[in-house]
Amino acid sequence: DVKVTQSSRYLVKRTGEKVFLECVQDMDHENMFWYRQDPGLGLRLIYFSYDVKMKEKGDIPEGYSVSREKKERFSLILESASTNQTSMYLCASSRGTGWVGYTFGSGTRLTVV
Amino acid sequence: QQQVKQSPQSLIVQKGGISIINCAYENTAFDYFPWYQQFPGKGPALLIAIRPDVSEKKEGRFTISFNKSAKQFSLHIMDSQPGDSATYFCAASDNNNDMRFGAGTRLTVKP
Repeated sequence: DVKVTQSSRYLVKRTGEKVFLECVQDMDHENMFWYRQDPGLGLRLIYFSYDVKMKEKGDIPEGYSVSREKKERFSLILESASTNQTSMYLCASSRGTGWVGYTFGSGTRLTVV
Repeated sequence: QQQVKQSPQSLIVQKGGISIINCAYENTAFDYFPWYQQFPGKGPALLIAIRPDVSEKKEGRFTISFNKSAKQFSLHIMDSQPGDSATYFCAASDNNNDMRFGAGTRLTVKP
């Protein structure tokens, strides 16, 4: 069964900490995405990547960065966590071409205290 | 600003009824319109999708209706079941890249 795996289900971090959220996919997909999900706002795109070492800003990149050193792995980095970054974070992947939709991970619920 | 507007925010339907969720978009470059279903504790999963060359697509009890001129599309769930209770997201993208999502609709189907 194909999968997108997010390393942590729940995380609690302190304000100012550097936080790493890891995502791994086993489908050899070219594209990978990070979204945050908040009630009433749906899914908002933070960053995405079409290839190894490539990254593009989404709609809300401020306060975040990403790393894609290997095709299967896409990391989201909160440089200095703040309470307004408390959210559910979802990683997704897709093929490079065609219209087949995304495969999502189960999410990481991050609480910044 | 939300590139895809979804309504209603929440919906309660009796078992056996029809659930209808609506979405609208502005970007005419969008050419792929999927719907995702999300159960608590899980990530969204692709439910059904349509491209603008057709006005309707049906898969089992789920139907997407698409109105290109109005830039609107909707999800219809026929014979709604308690197991359909979930949050539904519409989405839109061009070339399957950087997809934009609606705010979501929490559907509750009462037995």
